[in-house]
Amino acid sequence: EAAVTQSPRSKVAVTGGKVTLSCHQTNNHDYMYWYRQDTGHGLRLIHYSYVADSTEKGDIPDGYKASRPSQENFSLILELASLSQTAVYFCASNYWRAETLYFGSGTRLTVL
Amino acid sequence: AQSVTQPDARVTVSEGASLQLRCKYSYSATPYLFWYVQYPRQGLQMLLKYYSGDPVVQGVNGFEAEFSKSDSSFHLRKASVHWSDSAVYFCAVISASSGSWQLIFGSGTQLTVMP
Repeated sequence: EAAVTQSPRSKVAVTGGKVTLSCHQTNNHDYMYWYRQDTGHGLRLIHYSYVADSTEKGDIPDGYKASRPSQENFSLILELASLSQTAVYFCASNYWRAETLYFGSGTRLTVL
Repeated sequence: AQSVTQPDARVTVSEGASLQLRCKYSYSATPYLFWYVQYPRQGLQMLLKYYSGDPVVQGVNGFEAEFSKSDSSFHLRKASVHWSDSAVYFCAVISASSGSWQLIFGSGTQLTVMP
């Protein structure tokens, strides 16, 4: 069973603060993704990566950075958190982009 | 632009009733299509996928979906729902252009199964 683990499960941050969300996968997958989910909306892609030490922009990258230090780990970084970044964030992985995604259980971020 | 539309934000059915959740896609070529389910406080899990071949695909837990090119649809069905099927269901399509692949999600349908 593919496993994607996110930490923390939830976080409260202050406006202007730095936030780092972490993701770890044990699937040996090449691709990893960060999605954002807002109430009443589908998932939107923030950043993705297909190899360690390289990241790519998704549909809504503004205000976010990503880091892929190894095949197993993928982080999402909010340098200056804003109220509009309150959402649930999901990490996912797969072997290649047209295949099934395996999701973590999400991180609920609240920016005050 | 490629897109996926789920016209029903919320669907309520009684336990044991049949179910259809609607999905319409906009894509010029033959699409790769998925249905994902999100149970409360969990990540998404794939229910089924369609790449080619038989337009009716079987998924987990008795779900199936039918691809229709003429109607640009990929509706999800189940013959008899259980209370545990209450969840949010997402339709998604893979869009590929110029070597770049992108998974596009619909806005989701919240399914509530009444006992």
